Amino acid sequence: EVQLVESGGGRVQPGGSLRLSCEASGFTVSSHWMHWVRQAPGKGLVWVSGINSDGRTTNYADSVKGRFTISRDNAKNTVYLQMNHLRGEDTAVYYCARGGLGPVWGQGTLVAVSS
Amino acid sequence: DIQLTQSPSSLSASVGDRVTITCRASQSITDYLNWYQQKPGKAPKLLIYGASSLDSGVPRRFSGSGSGTDFTLTISGLQPDDFATYYCQQSYSTTWTFGHGTKVEIK
Repeated sequence: EVQLVESGGGRVQPGGSLRLSCEASGFTVSSHWMHWVRQAPGKGLVWVSGINSDGRTTNYADSVKGRFTISRDNAKNTVYLQMNHLRGEDTAVYYCARGGLGPVWGQGTLVAVSS
Repeated sequence: DIQLTQSPSSLSASVGDRVTITCRASQSITDYLNWYQQKPGKAPKLLIYGASSLDSGVPRRFSGSGSGTDFTLTISGLQPDDFATYYCQQSYSTTWTFGHGTKVEIK
């Protein structure tokens, strides 16, 4: 079964850091673009970042550029999102998703930024 | 970035109604358009990919059409389980974008 499981969310103070993980099963992340998408409470879906199959190309939304870093460990079949200098507006459920025809999504992990 | 304009933002409908939601892209995205259903507290569920292909296990009352810049999601015979928020998403670009969502409510 193709599955994505996110972890690493939690509560953090403004200015703090978190690293989210997205572990894949049923397929190899090295064959796909992988993305992070977030959803603030009561709001819509917003794309955050993407990484290509060999990890050499990464894209970021303007709102996170310079603060977030996407990476992948193909040996662990896992994608990461390192989030630094967190702000209140980063509070959201973060979803990991597999690109390609018929995207696959995880169940999400909640990040809450507050003092 | 490719913008997606989704309409309406909300609608009220009755069980059994036919419901149509539209999504317009700011440039041609050929058929790289996906539709999702989302319920409160849950992850988005893929309904339609490639503009018109039904994802596995999705009821046949859901259908998608369109290409280029104009796309439609149709629910033929609304069921109680269909009351939710629906989003379109383009995957033509590796920087994904989403429509703002359509909330389908019970009339």
